[in-house]
Amino acid sequence: DAKTTQPPSMDCAEGRAANLPCNHSTISGNEYVYWYRQIHSQGPQYIIHGLKNNETNEMASLIITEDRKSSTLILPHATLRDTAVYYCIVRVFFGNAGNMLTFGGGTRLMVKP
Amino acid sequence: EPEVTQTPSHQVTQMGQEVILRCVPISNHLYFYWYRQILGQKVEFLVSFYNNEISEKSEIFDDQFSVERPDGSNFTLKIRSTKLEDSAMYFCASGETGLIYEQYFGPGTRLTVT
Repeated sequence: DAKTTQPPSMDCAEGRAANLPCNHSTISGNEYVYWYRQIHSQGPQYIIHGLKNNETNEMASLIITEDRKSSTLILPHATLRDTAVYYCIVRVFFGNAGNMLTFGGGTRLMVKP
Repeated sequence: EPEVTQTPSHQVTQMGQEVILRCVPISNHLYFYWYRQILGQKVEFLVSFYNNEISEKSEIFDDQFSVERPDGSNFTLKIRSTKLEDSAMYFCASGETGLIYEQYFGPGTRLTVT
């Protein structure tokens, strides 16, 4: 699996967009980018994933650069409840054999009033 | 909305004792996982389980660990003889398919070994 690099921490003002970067310069063509978050020692929670196109769901948007070497998770209007550690994970999808998640250090996002 | 549940929320045990951590996955899910997180450290994969057998396991998951789905609803993690370094938060996850983004995590069991 490709290695990912994320800043250890970021701050964001409540109501503003939070842009969380992830570098995955060694990503291969069949690896997806997944984002999870962990709110204060709770179980991790899936946010969004993508292969090469930008993706949006009710939680966030994922922007992947054309060369796929980096991506940005965007929380459009961050709230205090978005304070969490955000993990960028790059992983090949193997199929129905069960796929382990490999978590790095992530980015600790602090949303401030 | 269906959730993964775990019991107990906190377990304290003495070194050398056996512990069983219990998880009730979401009812129609077929894939089951255990992860752990030592305080202040990364979330680490332990084991995945599908079709009544282990499909993947990490180096952490040695002979002291075992998993079982005893009755079609519970999914358990047993640590045979606990060590101080087993103190951690243990998370169970389940998924309807094996897709990574369909792993739904429970709230965790905090295991403290004294």
